[in-house]
Amino acid sequence: KQEVTQIPAALSVPEGENLVLNCSFTDSAIYNLQWFRQDPGKGLTSLLLIQSSQREQTSGRLNASLDKSSGRSTLYIAASQPGDSATYLCAVTGTASKLTFGTGTRLQVTL
Amino acid sequence: DVKVTQSSRYLVKRTGEKVFLECVQDMDHENMFWYRQDPGLGLRLIYFSYDVKMKEKGDIPEGYSVSREKKERFSLILESASTNQTSMYLCASSSDRPLYEQYFGPGTRLTVT
Repeated sequence: KQEVTQIPAALSVPEGENLVLNCSFTDSAIYNLQWFRQDPGKGLTSLLLIQSSQREQTSGRLNASLDKSSGRSTLYIAASQPGDSATYLCAVTGTASKLTFGTGTRLQVTL
Repeated sequence: DVKVTQSSRYLVKRTGEKVFLECVQDMDHENMFWYRQDPGLGLRLIYFSYDVKMKEKGDIPEGYSVSREKKERFSLILESASTNQTSMYLCASSSDRPLYEQYFGPGTRLTVT
């Protein structure tokens, strides 16, 4: 059974810092990996999707990498801003298009 | 842009009531999903559907049923609501191969008293 782990569970950084969020998964037979953002009490917003054949994806200040063989992904956020404060979830798509989620990293960017 | 809408943002129901949560997507996606999200437990898959009138159990289907009569609409039904079904319910839809990218609705916060 696929298991997804995210480290750290919570992170607080001052504005302007670059930061890395980590995600690991146990079964490398995945179709893709998605990174989501969730604000308190809200739904999930898709940030980046990396297909299994890709190594990384970039969107603005966000860069996500994927090392399928080692079961790892990282989300890099450059020049963090208070508006980046949210919970970040990674999820992998396995068989039958089902997602398995990590438990998330709660990020706080302070002024 | 893909849009997934859910019928209610907040819902309060009494124990034993029958509850319907509705989800509609506008991107002609084949796949639709219902999750619940609880503190400390993360997101858990309740049911999903590959096509109209098709449904598959997820990880925690007990106490729930679903209906998909039209491609764009996927309903979650709590036959007899209980307090342990108080939760945030999230609907999602996804395209088929090769991307399987999932898009989520805003969620329904259900409280059962």
